[in-house]
Amino acid sequence: TQLLEQSPQFLSIQEGENLTVYCNSSSVFSSLQWYRQEPGEGPVLLVTVVTGGEVKKLKRLTFQFGDARKDSSLHITAAQPGDTGLYLCAGGAYGQNFVFGPGTRLSVLP
Amino acid sequence: NAGVTQTPKFQVLKTGQSMTLQCAQDMNHNSMYWYRQDPGMGLRLIYYSASEGTTDKGEVPNGYNVSRLNKREFSLRLESAAPSQTSVYFCASNTRARVGSYGYTFGSGTRLTVV
Repeated sequence: TQLLEQSPQFLSIQEGENLTVYCNSSSVFSSLQWYRQEPGEGPVLLVTVVTGGEVKKLKRLTFQFGDARKDSSLHITAAQPGDTGLYLCAGGAYGQNFVFGPGTRLSVLP
Repeated sequence: NAGVTQTPKFQVLKTGQSMTLQCAQDMNHNSMYWYRQDPGMGLRLIYYSASEGTTDKGEVPNGYNVSRLNKREFSLRLESAAPSQTSVYFCASNTRARVGSYGYTFGSGTRLTVV
């Protein structure tokens, strides 16, 4: 069974600060996805990365897929209260369903 | 756009009662999934249907059954609810034409409490 670990588990920061959260596994994935989940809602897809070393930017969010395709990071620049939520990573391998990590719960205080 | 619709949003059951969670998607996706989400454990796959007419067990299938009624609808049934099944249940769908390329679309969840 493939397992994903996410760190930190909880993060509370002030508006305007930068932050990075991590997603790690001992398994190689063919692709990795990041989701954000707000209270009372289902996760919403932010990005999919498929190539080792790939970097994708979505406004103030920067996603990186590790060269070995075993890990990923999400960096948020100048965090805003609207960034508050649970950030989930999910890894997929060919022929298998995606596996989700436990998430990083981010709180951005005004 | 409706996306993935789940009903009900909330439910309280007594131990031993049964219920069916309904899920429908309007995006013409081939695959549908049922997950449960518990604090600190992420999303765990209960059952999935890779295409209409097929269903398969996921990571935590015990105590559950599913039906892929047609391409749009995928239901989850608890035959005899137990307190350990208290959780938030999410239905999701996607297209599996190429594994790893397409993300899931999730419903807004069903919050189930078994007392």
